[in-house]
Amino acid sequence: QKEVEQDPGPLSVPEGAIVSLNCTYSNSAFQYFMWYRQYSRKGPELLMYTYSSGNKEDGRFTAQVDKSSKYISLFIRDSQPSDSATYLCAMERDYKLSFGAGTTVTVRA
Amino acid sequence: DTGVSQNPRHKITKRGQNVTFRCDPISEHNRLYWYRQTLGQGPEFLTYFQNEAQLEKSRLLSDRFSAERPKGSFSTLEIQRTEQGDSAMYLCASSSTLGQGPGYTFGSGTRLTVV
Repeated sequence: QKEVEQDPGPLSVPEGAIVSLNCTYSNSAFQYFMWYRQYSRKGPELLMYTYSSGNKEDGRFTAQVDKSSKYISLFIRDSQPSDSATYLCAMERDYKLSFGAGTTVTVRA
Repeated sequence: DTGVSQNPRHKITKRGQNVTFRCDPISEHNRLYWYRQTLGQGPEFLTYFQNEAQLEKSRLLSDRFSAERPKGSFSTLEIQRTEQGDSAMYLCASSSTLGQGPGYTFGSGTRLTVV
């Protein structure tokens, strides 16, 4: 069993919809919880990170962490076609990142 | 600073050949990481350096793989006797021990195709 599980999708939504992404994890030693966005043939780009349970907002993006359930989520409000990408959750322990498989999101204009 | 730079962007090689990739991190970052990403999967940790010291290597890093960071600046990743299973995107990332939070910055990667 992988340490981090993420539904690979794909996920297709109309422009303006809310995109909901989530990951589960098994290792309670993870310290930081991150979401990366990756466009085709590019490296991952950090969107948000948090280290505690609760919500964190940044513009149209909201990250949620529930350490008791070992569950993290990313919500994208008012989605745009430019949000079409693969979204990767990642968790850090001892300077190493463990990634989910990524969810491919397409926002239809 | 233009971020993390990786060269070449794409490498096609015949099975059995040796290949070397280069990574130039963000200049003020003292930690450097190598990850490997195969199609449809997230990146997997290979190894990391703090300055010139290689502090950890993954079990994924077989004896055919070697990484160096000779002066604590750029790093190279060499794969000897390449196999078709080595075909993947090799990503480099860097971060600083200063500041707060996991400030990892990834490069655009080197895509290796072994034929």
